Amino acid sequence: ETGVTQSPTHLIKTRGQQVTLRCSSQSGHNTVSWYQQALGQGPQFIFQYYREEENGRGNFPPRFSGLQFPNYSSELNVNALELDDSALYLCASSLLHPPIKRGYEQFFGPGTRLTVL
Amino acid sequence: AQSVTQLDSHVSVSEGTPVLLRCNYSSSYSPSLFWYVQHPNKGLQLLLKYTSAATLVKGINGFEAEFKKSETSFHLTKPSAHMSDAAEYFCVVKGRGYALNFGKGTSLLVTP
Repeated sequence: ETGVTQSPTHLIKTRGQQVTLRCSSQSGHNTVSWYQQALGQGPQFIFQYYREEENGRGNFPPRFSGLQFPNYSSELNVNALELDDSALYLCASSLLHPPIKRGYEQFFGPGTRLTVL
Repeated sequence: AQSVTQLDSHVSVSEGTPVLLRCNYSSSYSPSLFWYVQHPNKGLQLLLKYTSAATLVKGINGFEAEFKKSETSFHLTKPSAHMSDAAEYFCVVKGRGYALNFGKGTSLLVTP
């Protein structure tokens, strides 16, 4: 059983560019969540994908978008990059059987470090 | 809205002494609470979770946490710190829908 993997590990972009981050979920999981962790802060929920549809969204603008594929892997796309988008982006996968169970676990990948210059 | 407050941004202990990392929560209903640990350049790892069963929750690596509704607290403890425990610790509450709401983190330093 493989864990959650993310690519690339590090990325440097300039302001105004677009970026795509990738996540492969843990074997057997059907849900992917994305989080942004700014330096010195706790992760903040961006959105979640379940069965290829967005299943909840945090307080992030529409230039943050995503996809989930039939194999449950996922992409996070960020358009018109801003300096404040510099952060560690974490992907978490889980197995979801609605209605949601209390305390269902999310398993995190190592993250992608994005630097916007 | 569900949120957590970690009361200490940094905690320093000597190896072999007890660890206490404090967390208070705010929730409009009975919460699901978690503690995660983040080692440098590694992903977040779940230490333990509370889901309204036993109020004393045991986790991995000797950590445990006690849910106290009267105090709205979920403090993390370990009887004896090890050098390998040095890391960032996050108290987390399940938020609206499927989101996890993280605290700002407590950096644990373990000195020899």
